[in-house]
Amino acid sequence: AQTVTQSQPEMSVQEAETVTLSCTYDTSESDYYLFWYKQPPSRQMILVIRQEAYKQQNATENRFSVNFQKAAKSFSLKISDSQLGDAAMYFCAYEGFQGGSEKLVFGKGTKLTVNP
Amino acid sequence: DAGITQSPRHKVTETGTPVTLRCHQTENHRYMYWYRQDPGHGLRLIHYSYGVKDTDKGEVSDGYSVSRSKTEDFLLTLESATSSQTSVYFCAISESRGQPQHFGDGTRLSIL
Repeated sequence: AQTVTQSQPEMSVQEAETVTLSCTYDTSESDYYLFWYKQPPSRQMILVIRQEAYKQQNATENRFSVNFQKAAKSFSLKISDSQLGDAAMYFCAYEGFQGGSEKLVFGKGTKLTVNP
Repeated sequence: DAGITQSPRHKVTETGTPVTLRCHQTENHRYMYWYRQDPGHGLRLIHYSYGVKDTDKGEVSDGYSVSRSKTEDFLLTLESATSSQTSVYFCAISESRGQPQHFGDGTRLSIL
């Protein structure tokens, strides 16, 4: 079964600085999708960024970018110019085609604190 | 924002009672999911649906059942609630494979 590992339970960053959150995954598939979701204290799950495994180009969304290393099965999230509103739990997720159907597997999350 | 409504938002009940959580969508998306979120575990898939009356089990399906009689509604039932099912439950929808899932606001369920 596919697994997603976020090795940093907690991270902190100073406002306006850059922080990178790590994510690795285990799979034997070649075609899959990767996501980062953000969960602020409001409990909402918000999509941050999406990456298609067959695309070599790293996805970017404004201040958020990923470093996708397919051979290493690594999918890290970089947040530039961190803002107080970026404080949240961040979840990495993998979607493959397991047992004939699509399923999303989440990591356990990284809690990001942004210090003023 | 995707039109997803979960009800109730909060519920407290006793061990052994039946509980049904409802997820309603207005997006006409094919896929619907139920997750539970517990500290230290992230989100874990309970059951999902890929069409009306088409459902399948997820990672933590024991003690849960689901039904989808209409595209817009996906029900999660705990036939006889146990304290281990105290959790926050999220419903999600997606249009197709590889598309982002959109989540409801969650239901906090406490079983005493």
